[in-house]
Amino acid sequence: GAGVSQSPSNKVTEKGKDVELRCDPISGHTALYWYRQSLGQGLEFLIYFQGNSAPDKSGLPSDRFSAERTGGSVSTLTIQRTQQEDSAVYLCASSLVKYEQYFGPGTRLTVT
Amino acid sequence: GENVEQHPSTLSVQEGDSAVIKCTYSDSASNYFPWYKQELGKGPQLIIDIRSNVGEKKDQRIAVTLNKTAKHFSLHITETQPEDSAVYFCAASKGGGKLIFGQGTELSVKP
Repeated sequence: GAGVSQSPSNKVTEKGKDVELRCDPISGHTALYWYRQSLGQGLEFLIYFQGNSAPDKSGLPSDRFSAERTGGSVSTLTIQRTQQEDSAVYLCASSLVKYEQYFGPGTRLTVT
Repeated sequence: GENVEQHPSTLSVQEGDSAVIKCTYSDSASNYFPWYKQELGKGPQLIIDIRSNVGEKKDQRIAVTLNKTAKHFSLHITETQPEDSAVYFCAASKGGGKLIFGQGTELSVKP
C-alpha cells in the first residue's frame, strides 16, 4: 500500500522567507511525527501528533517553527523567517500502533 | 537527558561475514528499541524492533539483542550481502513516543 508521502521533495529558499512542508501519513495512522536530519545533529525529534493534538512539542528548536494537523491526516510544518541553520532534511513518520514508526522520503530544505 | 550512543560509526565487512552494531541508552524507562536502515536519498526504513519484555528477536538474517540491566542493545546481520550496505540507526523510546536516535553506522559490504 501507499507509504508516507512528503512534499516538496526539495525546497530552496532565501534567508528570511517562510516555508511550508507537507506530510501525508499512511491512511488510518493516528500518530504522526516530525524529525530533522542534519549532518551535525543526526536525527532529531521535533513534534508528535496524536490525532489533531500535539502532546509533545519539546523538539521544536524555536518559536519560528510550528506545525499543525487537520482531519487527523495531513500535517504541515511551517518555518518562519528561515535561517541558514534550518537547512536539513525534514522527515515525517506515522504509526498505527503505539510503536512502529514508518518514515517518508523527506524534504530537503536549503536556505541560501 | 535522554541519550543513545551508537558504535561503530563506520563498519566495513566482506560479503558473507557478519556485522554487529551496538547501542547504549541512558534512560532506564525506555522500553522500545527499533533499528532503521537508510539508503542514500531515502527515508529511514524500519527493519527490526524489540520491546523491553524480550531479550532477543530474529528475522531471517538479522537479529537484535537487548540487555536491560546494562542498557545495551545490538543489531546482528549474518551472511552480509552488498545490498546490506547503508547507514543503520538505532533508537529508543518510552511508551511509543518520540524516538531518540543514535548517531548512525555506515556499513559497507565488499563483494
